[in-house]
Amino acid sequence: SQQGEEDPQALSIQEGENATMNCSYKTSINNLQWYRQNSGRGLVHLILIRSNEREKHSGRLRVTLDTSKKSSSLLITASRAADTASYFCATDRNGNKLVFGAGTILRVKS
Amino acid sequence: GAVVSQHPSWVICKSGTSVKIECRSLDFQATTMFWYRQFPKQSLMLMATSNEGSKATYEQGVEKDKFLINHASLTLSTLTVTSAHPEDSSFYICSASSPGATNEKLFFGSGTQLSVL
Repeated sequence: SQQGEEDPQALSIQEGENATMNCSYKTSINNLQWYRQNSGRGLVHLILIRSNEREKHSGRLRVTLDTSKKSSSLLITASRAADTASYFCATDRNGNKLVFGAGTILRVKS
Repeated sequence: GAVVSQHPSWVICKSGTSVKIECRSLDFQATTMFWYRQFPKQSLMLMATSNEGSKATYEQGVEKDKFLINHASLTLSTLTVTSAHPEDSSFYICSASSPGATNEKLFFGSGTQLSVL
């Protein structure tokens, strides 16, 4: 069953603006990961944040994790048209199994 | 970085036929592989976990006789959709982990789009 819920379901912004996506989960986790998926393609790993971390940066990506609220956010700064994709959070469950959130469809208009 | 190759990228088949999808780890040995299914505009749903040399573990609601998984070697897992029907049309993605790795080291294939006519 799905563990993660994401909002918004869809987000449309102008190039150069920031995009924020949120993910909530239900059970305890060891880590939370964010992935990107271009239409009809496989997954690209973006960033992983461990349960003892609160914030992590990677280039234009900033991820936060609030384990008390069981939520995470992904911020993409200075968005580009090439950032247009679906973004999923994933939490670990029973070892290596990943449970994916519903995803956010991001459209960056140039 | 590690590469997982999935083949074919897309396949169209007639209802009632069987389709085999391959997932190969190209530069590492994958003791565990995972198979996911994704319907349009939806998330990835874990179907099963395959372990090299043993039977696959299926998630609740996934028919093991319909979705046959074979993981006969450390570099290859196959998913066979038997007697495919239009409702099986979906995007199937595999992922693989190397021995002793946590889920921090999972690598995903590029997916297979299955269309059943």
